[in-house]
Amino acid sequence: EPEVTQTPSHQVTQMGQEVILRCVPISNHLYFYWYRQILGQKVEFLVSFYNNEISEKSEIFDDQFSVERPDGSNFTLKIRSTKLEDSAMYFCASREGPNTGELFFGEGSRLTVL
Amino acid sequence: GIQVEQSPPDLILQEGANSTLRCNFSDSVNNLQWFHQNPWGQLINLFYIPSGTKQNGRLSATTVATERYSLLYISSSQTTDSGVYFCAVASGGYQKVTFGTGTKLQVIP
Repeated sequence: EPEVTQTPSHQVTQMGQEVILRCVPISNHLYFYWYRQILGQKVEFLVSFYNNEISEKSEIFDDQFSVERPDGSNFTLKIRSTKLEDSAMYFCASREGPNTGELFFGEGSRLTVL
Repeated sequence: GIQVEQSPPDLILQEGANSTLRCNFSDSVNNLQWFHQNPWGQLINLFYIPSGTKQNGRLSATTVATERYSLLYISSSQTTDSGVYFCAVASGGYQKVTFGTGTKLQVIP
C-alpha cells in the first residue's frame, strides 16, 4: 500500500540552527500538508501546498518557516532559526485531490530543540 | 475557523468494555476522518467517514453531517486500543483538515 514517508524520524538541534524536514508524499497525490503536534496537545495545521505554491497557512507558519517541492517528489519543511518552542512532532500529509477525501499521514518527525 | 470538540477528554476502561467517543463540529464539512495515535506518536487512519456508518472489526463509526457530529464505537476493548483518538474534519477550498481536541483512552487489564 502506498504511504507517505518522512525523514528524519527524530532530530535534535541547537536553538538558532536551521532544520529541514523531508517528506515523500504518495506519488499520484496533488495536495500536500504539514502539521505540528506539541507534546500532549492536539495536532495543528501549519500549511497546505498545491500546484507548487502555498494555498493556505496558519498563524503558526511565520517567516521562520518555508516549504518547497524541489524535485517533484520530495516536499520539505524548513525552519530557519529554531526556537525551543519549535520542539514538536511534525507530520506530513497528502491527498489525491481537493474533494478526494482521505488524508494520508506520514509517521512524523520528532524535533527536539535544545 | 471551524471548531472541533471531542468528548470525553479522558476515558479509562476495563478490558472488554465498550465505549462511545463523540466528535462535534461547528460548521459544514466535506470530509471526516478518525485517527488513533499510538504510544509512538503515529497517526493511524481508522475511518474516512463523511457520512453514514462504517465498521471495521471491533470498531465502527457513524457521522451525521446534518447534525454536525460523529461517533466512534469501540467494542470489547483491548489494552492495545489505548492511546489518543482524534477526529479530523475537512472544510474550505483546499480541504484543510482541522483536528479535534482528542480523547485519551486507557484500557486496563
